[in-house]
Amino acid sequence: EADIYQTPRYLVIGTGKKITLECSQTMGHDKMYWYQQDPGMELHLIHYSYGVNSTEKGDLSSESTVSRIRTEHFPLTLESARPSHTSQYLCATREGGLSYNEQFFGPGTRLTVL
Amino acid sequence: RKEVEQDPGPFNVPEGATVAFNCTYSNSASQSFFWYRQDCRKEPKLLMSVYSSGNEDGRFTAQLNRASQYISLLIRDSKLSDSATYLCVVTSGGSYIPTFGRGTSLIVHP
Repeated sequence: EADIYQTPRYLVIGTGKKITLECSQTMGHDKMYWYQQDPGMELHLIHYSYGVNSTEKGDLSSESTVSRIRTEHFPLTLESARPSHTSQYLCATREGGLSYNEQFFGPGTRLTVL
Repeated sequence: RKEVEQDPGPFNVPEGATVAFNCTYSNSASQSFFWYRQDCRKEPKLLMSVYSSGNEDGRFTAQLNRASQYISLLIRDSKLSDSATYLCVVTSGGSYIPTFGRGTSLIVHP
């Protein structure tokens, strides 16, 4: 069983606020990912990391940034939240080296921006 | 054309039915294939990997057809608890970025 933690699980916040969504894992996986998913819709990759000090933007244009200073943590920051950011944010990890390794997902953060 | 395509459904079936989902992918260099299950408002979880020779896990059977570039998932003797969205996931060789399909919704009713 994967050990991936996301906090907060639910967040309601006003427009313009800066927020950081936390993701941490205890498995030592070097690959980490952030996805955005609206209800009933597909997952969109917004950021990923191959390891410490490595971050890349995904397919979905997003006014967010990530950092990977430690293997265990991959926080996502929204500098100025907008109602269009209302969504579920899922963090995932994967053991590196082989493309057939599965991804493990955290429980998600459900964000509502008023 | 999307890289990974699935019929979104929903597939509405009675308990005990057999149901099959297909998923097509466009990248012929794809090497790894998976089916994930996602319950409502939950995170996706791996259901099974799909191997070239096909594989079975209890009531679930996955098959890969590389020539036609599709994978399938067969669920036999459907249970109420099988109700969920089934996501097809494909990874190309050398890439660590999986591509997700939109998912197929299954509703099993009494």
